[in-house]
Amino acid sequence: AQSVSQHNHHVILSEAASLELGCNYSYGGTVNLFWYVQYPGQHLQLLLKYFSGDPLVKGIKGFEAEFIKSKFSFNLRKPSVQWSDTAEYFCAVNARAAGNKLTFGGGTRVLVKP
Amino acid sequence: GAVVSQHPSRVICKSGTSVKIECRSLDFQATTMFWYRQFPKKSLMLMATSNEGSKATYEQGVEKDKFLINHASLTLSTLTVTSAHPEDSSFYICSARVAVTNTEAFFGQGTRLTVV
Repeated sequence: AQSVSQHNHHVILSEAASLELGCNYSYGGTVNLFWYVQYPGQHLQLLLKYFSGDPLVKGIKGFEAEFIKSKFSFNLRKPSVQWSDTAEYFCAVNARAAGNKLTFGGGTRVLVKP
Repeated sequence: GAVVSQHPSRVICKSGTSVKIECRSLDFQATTMFWYRQFPKKSLMLMATSNEGSKATYEQGVEKDKFLINHASLTLSTLTVTSAHPEDSSFYICSARVAVTNTEAFFGQGTRLTVV
């Protein structure tokens, strides 16, 4: 079945450490890719998005993601995390092959220790 | 970015009653709105796609008679949980997009439904 997979369910790291969250999808054809963040008690916010063009996408708060078409991946990175990055991160894919419905990965809960 | 407002943010209801949740796009017209359900410590599960002026498209396993969706205008979609049961307790989130592709989805703040 077509799906979006996030490999890490929980990540714990210290401030200033680097973060990389994996995201793979199984849809073929044209895709739009997103990373959303959900801070404790808040609603989903868009971190970054990829529609076309440069596969290295820069988002807000120092986050970036790289679209690797051959690997069906869209991994999220941040070189140096802060305590305020503690949140849940969701990868999402909008695929024409899936009727343009936005499908979410399972989420990764990130805890940054001060 | 665009704003999607969801109301109420929290609601407690008795078993057997119905609850209506509203989702409004405040500064843009949304031809398509989506309703998600988020279980504790789980991801968002798409329940249905709401299209203005037509019937909603439900995902497999979602009871259309239980979760009534109405998208009467380009800025308002409603989800009514009918004859609520405790197992319907969950976090319901709506989102809206301006167009089908190459646009991001904007999310409401969610509604915490507790059925007692």
